[in-house]
Amino acid sequence: DAMVIQNPRYQVTQFGKPVTLSCSQTLNHNVMYWYQQKSSQAPKLLFHYYDKDFNNEADTPDNFQSRRPNTSFCFLDIRSPGLGDAAMYLCATSREPGGRDTQYFGPGTRLTVL
Amino acid sequence: QQQVKQSPQSLIVQKGGIPIINCAYENTAFDYFPWYQQFPGKGPALLIAIRPDVSEKKEGRFTISFNKSAKQFSLHIMDSQPGDSATYFCAASRHGQNFVFGPGTRLSVLP
Repeated sequence: DAMVIQNPRYQVTQFGKPVTLSCSQTLNHNVMYWYQQKSSQAPKLLFHYYDKDFNNEADTPDNFQSRRPNTSFCFLDIRSPGLGDAAMYLCATSREPGGRDTQYFGPGTRLTVL
Repeated sequence: QQQVKQSPQSLIVQKGGIPIINCAYENTAFDYFPWYQQFPGKGPALLIAIRPDVSEKKEGRFTISFNKSAKQFSLHIMDSQPGDSATYFCAASRHGQNFVFGPGTRLSVLP
């Protein structure tokens, strides 16, 4: 089945130790998004790629970076995780950007920072 | 202007009841209003969506009611089942901008 896959599902890291989360999609969608979701809160958009064009949300901390080496894969790098970065990280895709198209979400990676 | 308000924060109904979740927005430029359903440990999934040119949309047991003049929209779940227990997010968007999500409603349907 076509889908959005996230690995790992659970990630534990230490305070300040860089971590990379990965996302892959078989939908061949142009747009890939990274959201941060904390407990009992709505997903918060960090950034998105429209093809190779990177779009950063204004309030996304510099600690968060992303790479999209090809259409299928997108990575979220957290350079120096703090305790406040513990959250569920959701990857999503859509055919077109701009909030007019259905977004398909992966199952998420739950990040714990010790 | 960009905020979407959602209520209630949590909701408990008996099986067969009709839970109603309400959302309100300020930005009249919004023209697409989806609802996403999220089960614990899973990513959100699109449930149903509406555009402001219609006042109601039904898909199975799920209905969106839209009141453009009041800038409000709501989700009704008919004949609710325990399997509907999840968190529901309303959202709004306009051309060229990403979704603005509401804060979510945690629904519990008791057997």
